[in-house]
Amino acid sequence: RKEVEQDPGPFNVPEGATVAFNCTYSNSASQSFFWYRQDCRKEPKLLMSVYSSGNEDGRFTAQLNRASQYISLLIRDSKLSDSATYLCVGNSGYALNFGKGTSLLVTP
Amino acid sequence: DTGVSQDPRHKITKRGQNVTFRCDPISEHNRLYWYRQTLGQGPEFLTYFQNEAQLEKSRLLSDRFSAERPKGSFSTLEIQRTEQGDSAMYLCASSGTPGGNTIYFGEGSWLTVV
Repeated sequence: RKEVEQDPGPFNVPEGATVAFNCTYSNSASQSFFWYRQDCRKEPKLLMSVYSSGNEDGRFTAQLNRASQYISLLIRDSKLSDSATYLCVGNSGYALNFGKGTSLLVTP
Repeated sequence: DTGVSQDPRHKITKRGQNVTFRCDPISEHNRLYWYRQTLGQGPEFLTYFQNEAQLEKSRLLSDRFSAERPKGSFSTLEIQRTEQGDSAMYLCASSGTPGGNTIYFGEGSWLTVV
């Protein structure tokens, strides 16, 4: 079983929609969590860190629920440029463990 | 460009040959990571260096794989006797001051074993 599990999608949503991604992690010792964005055949890039108190960056909101070992990402007012794969990440020792990614396609 | 640099960006090799990838991290970053990514999967951790010390290795890193960071700056990842299953994108990443714990990835080195 992978340490970080997420629904691979794809999620096809119209422009302007709100979309939510979820992931679960199995390593209760994990301390740090992130969402990364990866475009096709490109490297992953940090989207945002995830805190228990929740954090918001413009149209993006991330939330961590340690009790349920659950991480979420909410994207409001989706743009065509949001189309990408979103990777849920938790640390394990020195390493970052990535989920398989959730594919998002925003359509006109 | 002051980002993480990887070379070569693409490599096609015959099964059984050895290949070596180089990574130049962001200046002053003392932590360096190697990951492997195959189609439809997230990046999988291979190994981690803090300065020149290799502090963690994944089970994925078989005895055909070796990584070095001799002077705590650039790093190399060598794959000996390549197999078709080694075909993947090999990603290098670095972190450390400045930037704190954020990990920055290079553009990756694509390996195709034929």
